[in-house]
Amino acid sequence: AQSVTQLDSHVSVSEGTPVLLRCNYSSSYSPSLFWYVQHPNKGLQLLLKYTSAATLVKGINGFEAEFKKSETSFHLTKPSAHMSDAAEYFCVVSLSGGYQKVTFGTGTKLQVIP
Amino acid sequence: DGGITQSPKYLFRKEGQNVTLSCEQNLNHDAMYWYRQDPGQGLRLIYYSQIVNDFQKGDIAEGYSVSREKKESFPLTVTSAQKNPTAFYLCASKPGPSTYEQYFGPGTRLTVT
Repeated sequence: AQSVTQLDSHVSVSEGTPVLLRCNYSSSYSPSLFWYVQHPNKGLQLLLKYTSAATLVKGINGFEAEFKKSETSFHLTKPSAHMSDAAEYFCVVSLSGGYQKVTFGTGTKLQVIP
Repeated sequence: DGGITQSPKYLFRKEGQNVTLSCEQNLNHDAMYWYRQDPGQGLRLIYYSQIVNDFQKGDIAEGYSVSREKKESFPLTVTSAQKNPTAFYLCASKPGPSTYEQYFGPGTRLTVT
């Protein structure tokens, strides 16, 4: 069984300040973990993925995430928020490979204040 | 230009009518998925297909039907049996079992009144 919890439904930051979006997971096996971003009325775009290689994963648009097995966490960070980062972010867990379904978190809406 | 297309972007129907949402991909991906998105609930899996002429129910398949007659196409029919069909519907695909991530289309917003 697998599950994912996004700890904040809304996060608000000022432009130029750091972003932290929190995600905890539960999985019986070694998981694959992803972060996706969704702008309003759009599809989901993959930001980054962890698939049992390096624990610090760098993604697009300056985002990165660190896989911490001891804390069962995969938090998404960015050093300096940009207005274009305002969107909804989803943490996703999957058993490694195969056609098994993935499990989505409930999403975190990021607001960036000018 | 490769990708996943969903049409139309917005769809309006009267209660009691069946409606079919289109999903086409030219990525040569084996697997395709349909999700429903409601505010505050993340994405929930409706159906998925690993190969042509085969598909499996997801978590919330009741009131929906699909077909996979061609590798590139995976249409979703929302039937009148679906009690609360108004939602944002997302189609996704994946190359095969050795790939972890899914690729998403732009979505169709269905409103039933």
